[in-house]
Amino acid sequence: DVKVTQSSRYLVKRTGEKVFLECVQDMDHENMFWYRQDPGLGLRLIYFSYDVKMKEKGDIPEGYSVSREKKERFSLILESASTNQTSMYLCASSSGVTYGYTFGSGTRLTVV
Amino acid sequence: DQQVKQNSPSLSVQEGRISILNCDYTNSMFDYFLWYKKYPAEGPTFLISISSIKDKNEDGRFTVFLNKSAKHLSLHIVPSQPGDSAVYFCAASLLTGNQFYFGTGTSLTVIP
Repeated sequence: DVKVTQSSRYLVKRTGEKVFLECVQDMDHENMFWYRQDPGLGLRLIYFSYDVKMKEKGDIPEGYSVSREKKERFSLILESASTNQTSMYLCASSSGVTYGYTFGSGTRLTVV
Repeated sequence: DQQVKQNSPSLSVQEGRISILNCDYTNSMFDYFLWYKKYPAEGPTFLISISSIKDKNEDGRFTVFLNKSAKHLSLHIVPSQPGDSAVYFCAASLLTGNQFYFGTGTSLTVIP
C-alpha cells in the first residue's frame, strides 16, 4: 500500500519557535507538495518540489521554507511560528497530474 | 486570484437522494480535473477524474460532468449515503503541467 507519511498528527508550539514538519513518501515520486487547509480558504499551496534540492514557491510561501535533500523526504520549516500559522498542513506527492496526488494524513499545528 | 471556485461552502441532503456539488474554473487551458474527498483529521483521498476530451465519467455512485464552454464541472452522488458526509474538493490542472489548483471545498452532510 503506497503511502505518504507525515511525522506528527498533532503539534502544539509556542510563538517564535522554529517548527519542522516532516513528510516521507515511499512511491519514488518526483513531485512533492505542502498545502495548508483553512476553513473557507480550501487548500493553499505553500511550496512544491520537482526534484531533489529543487523547490518552488506556491501561493503563500511567506514565513515558510522547505528542504528536499532526498527524493523521498520533503520538510516544511516554519522559521518563527506565529499564531496565524495555526492550521492543518497536508503533504502530497505525485508522479504526474494524470495520477493525481497522494496525500498524507495531515498535521494539525496549533501555535500558542 | 482563485482559479478554481466552489461557491457553495456547504450542502445538506437526505439519505438516498442525489447530491450535486459544483465547481467553476477560470483558466480555459485546464484540461484535467479531479475530485477529492476529505474526512476530518485525514488527508484528502482521490474520488474521480475527468479529462477535457470527455464530458462525463462514472464510477459507481459517483459521476462527474464537465461543461467546457461554461468552464464548469459537477459531481453527482446517487444515492447519497451518510458515509458520504465529508468535504469535497475539486482540482484542475494542465495535462502538461504537474500542479493542481484546488477549490475551496464544499462540506456535504447526508442526513439519515
